[in-house]
Amino acid sequence: DQQVKQNSPSLSVQEGRISILNCDYTNSMFDYFLWYKKYPAEGPTFLISISSIKDKNEDGRFTVFLNKSAKHLSLHIVPSQPGDSAVYFCAASAVSDYGGSQGNLIFGKGTKLSVKP
Amino acid sequence: EAGVAQSPRYKIIEKRQSVAFWCNPISGHATLYWYQQILGQGPKLLIQFQNNGVVDDSQLPKDRFSAERLKGVDSTLKIQPAKLEDSAVYLCASSFWDRVAETQYFGPGTRLLVL
Repeated sequence: DQQVKQNSPSLSVQEGRISILNCDYTNSMFDYFLWYKKYPAEGPTFLISISSIKDKNEDGRFTVFLNKSAKHLSLHIVPSQPGDSAVYFCAASAVSDYGGSQGNLIFGKGTKLSVKP
Repeated sequence: EAGVAQSPRYKIIEKRQSVAFWCNPISGHATLYWYQQILGQGPKLLIQFQNNGVVDDSQLPKDRFSAERLKGVDSTLKIQPAKLEDSAVYLCASSFWDRVAETQYFGPGTRLLVL
């Protein structure tokens, strides 16, 4: 029973174009969502996050959109660069009493992004 | 700033053998996590420590897995005896405070193969 789903195992885009990675969740208790990026033989690296009180968060080339009613979020990378080629994990958590994530992250299976020059 | 260190990077053992993994978190990080990542899956939390106390070990198979964090710094994760399905990457992560997930810094992981 997957609570966080990334239904596209892979995505290929051309350099300079937009990459859109999608994520769906089933648990309505999730209130905090994160994207991690992972290169081979390295641990995941935090990329960007969003809480349920927002519908958009932007950081440079990366933007995360949250549609709480649809239980769906997406990561947009514009423009895509060859160095963005990696596996991207969507993760979710419940919000702690003090805001932010409780720390117990539920991860999706990941989407492998390939950006071609 | 040094990152999360893990050793060994790779380990091959036969089923029913024992194995131990070591993690040294970032200095000053109170919270430490062990995740298991099976091929094709996302990381799954096994255990979470706050200093040297266990916060969450609900997904740790306690009949064969054990973990400790002595003095609230380094941590070891042990599997005894190992099964074929334990083949995975074991990731250690640490954070300054467990309230904010984006401060979770992951180590490179230990890749375990059980034959």
